Amino acid sequence: TQLLEQSPQFLSIQEGENLTVYCNSSSVFSSLQWYRQEPGEGPVLLVTVVTGGEVKKLKRLTFQFGDARKDSSLHITAAQPGDTGLYLCAGEANAGGTSYGKLTFGQGTILTVHP
Amino acid sequence: GAVVSQHPSRVICKSGTSVKIECRSLDFQATTMFWYRQFPKQSLMLMATSNEGSKATYEQGVEKDKFLINHASLTLSTLTVTSAHPEDSSFYICSATTGWNQPQHFGDGTRLSIL
Repeated sequence: TQLLEQSPQFLSIQEGENLTVYCNSSSVFSSLQWYRQEPGEGPVLLVTVVTGGEVKKLKRLTFQFGDARKDSSLHITAAQPGDTGLYLCAGEANAGGTSYGKLTFGQGTILTVHP
Repeated sequence: GAVVSQHPSRVICKSGTSVKIECRSLDFQATTMFWYRQFPKQSLMLMATSNEGSKATYEQGVEKDKFLINHASLTLSTLTVTSAHPEDSSFYICSATTGWNQPQHFGDGTRLSIL
């Protein structure tokens, strides 16, 4: 069973601060995805990283995939109250295994940005 | 594009009732659909994988007779919670994909409350 450890679980910061969320595993993933979820809604895909060492930017959000494709990070610069929400990382298993195609989700990070 | 519609969005019913939740891919054909369960402020837990025209594959610990899944067409999968009890109360989310290694598109979830 593949596990994805996401930290921190809770993050409460002031507007304008920077933050980083981490996802770590001992397993290799074919891809890793980051989602944001609002209460009462389904998760919305932010980005997919596929290549080891890949870095993707989405405005103030920077996503990085580890060289070995076992870990990833999400960095938010100058956080705003509108960034508040539940952030989830999810890894897709490599081909050939019984879990291929399935997503393994991290525990989630509840981010609160205070004005 | 890639819209997944989940219905109903919220259901409240008495203990012992069976509840059916529908997951529809509106603008694409979904060969595979996934059903997740999410408790408050927690991550998504995969319950089962549903492939069109075949029996669903359930994750360890998920009772297949309790959570009946039907994927009769490429655009519709249903989850029926049979003889629901208060402990079945949760947020149920489906996702749909066109195939392996393709993105999963999530519905907006169904809030199930059993009294």
